[in-house]
Amino acid sequence: QKEVEQNSGPLSVPEGAIASLNCTYSDRGSQSFFWYRQYSGKSPELIMSIYSNGDKEDGRFTAQLNKASQYVSLLIRDSQPSDSATYLCAVNIANFGNEKLTFGTGTRLTIIP
Amino acid sequence: GAGVSQSPSNKVTEKGKDVELRCDPISGHTALYWYRQSLGQGLEFLIYFQGNSAPDKSGLPSDRFSAERTGGSVSTLTIQRTQQEDSAVYLCASSGSNQPQHFGDGTRLSIL
Repeated sequence: QKEVEQNSGPLSVPEGAIASLNCTYSDRGSQSFFWYRQYSGKSPELIMSIYSNGDKEDGRFTAQLNKASQYVSLLIRDSQPSDSATYLCAVNIANFGNEKLTFGTGTRLTIIP
Repeated sequence: GAGVSQSPSNKVTEKGKDVELRCDPISGHTALYWYRQSLGQGLEFLIYFQGNSAPDKSGLPSDRFSAERTGGSVSTLTIQRTQQEDSAVYLCASSGSNQPQHFGDGTRLSIL
């Protein structure tokens, strides 16, 4: 079993709709969770971090964490073509991102105009 | 600059040669990380430096790989006797205390 699992996609979503990206992790001791966006040929860019159960909203992005189910998700509302990218889920055993990150292989998202 | 700076941005070398990759973290960040991303793959942890503590080298794939961080700032990742499977994008990240990691633009390494 992979430590961090994501559906590789591609996930196609019409412009203006909600894109839902999912991630599960195996280490129950995980403390901090991150979503990075990676455009083709570019480096990962942090878009959301979440540390406690529940929802965290930032603009069009909402991260959801359920530690009991070992599940973290990212919702993108009002999807735009510029949201087309690979989204990487990353998990850390330490608080706030210190210590190494364990990444999923990413979900490729395409927003269809 | 304000972000993590890596050099060179691209490196092409022959199999068997040694290469050095450089990372200059965000000013004031005490933690520095090296990751590797092979084509179509996720990011693979290599090594982590935190302040003056001994580095976490648990991700280095072989003894051909080494890294150092001088003066608690700039880091160099060295790959000796390069092999074709070393071809990848090498990414450096840094973080401040209780802060998420931010990545540089990476070095794209191609071994011929």
